[in-house]
Amino acid sequence: GQQVMQIPQYQHVQEGEDFTTYCNSSTTLSNIQWYKQRPGGHPVFLIQLVKSGEVKKQKRLTFQFGEAKKNSSLHITATQTTDVGTYFCAGKGQNFVFGPGTRLSVLP
Amino acid sequence: KAGVTQTPRYLIKTRGQQVTLSCSPISGHRSVSWYQQTPGQGLQFLFEYFSETQRNKGNFPGRFSGRQFSNSRSEMNVSTLELGDSALYLCASSPRDRSTDTQYFGPGTRLTVL
Repeated sequence: GQQVMQIPQYQHVQEGEDFTTYCNSSTTLSNIQWYKQRPGGHPVFLIQLVKSGEVKKQKRLTFQFGEAKKNSSLHITATQTTDVGTYFCAGKGQNFVFGPGTRLSVLP
Repeated sequence: KAGVTQTPRYLIKTRGQQVTLSCSPISGHRSVSWYQQTPGQGLQFLFEYFSETQRNKGNFPGRFSGRQFSNSRSEMNVSTLELGDSALYLCASSPRDRSTDTQYFGPGTRLTVL
């Protein structure tokens, strides 16, 4: 069945450094979504990418969808302590399959 | 609009018991999905209901079941609880229309099986 992987599993950065998480699917996706889950919270929708090669920006966050629609990335510029949490990608096949997430720690 | 609500928020049960969790989606959303979240397995899809019909089902045993009512509220039931069923159960609603299938998650029900 469809599998979605994410790397890295954990990332510790100093505040102000950049951060990138990568998402890879075993199958071609119709779309991909990104979610953020703060410690003790629930996943919150960030963005959806649909088109091959699509790039979207939200302030310091940049999201990319690969040309083959099998991979995606989330890049955060100049991390802040408010960026702490786990970032999940979710690939849309028959239903949404979530990646295992990347847990981001930001040291002040 | 009010967000997705889930009740109860916390639950403690013993092995062999059964449990029913409830989810009220965002007003106007017809799709409700359920997920199990554990530290070891991450977010695992249980099932999705749309207009009272189960649309998709994940790879979970038959002890896990659900239903959706005409007002889009959904319940999931787990029978004969096992220790490994301890998890955060998340419900997500979606408008599931042509423009978007964004999922809006509720706060979850933390189930502990002793």
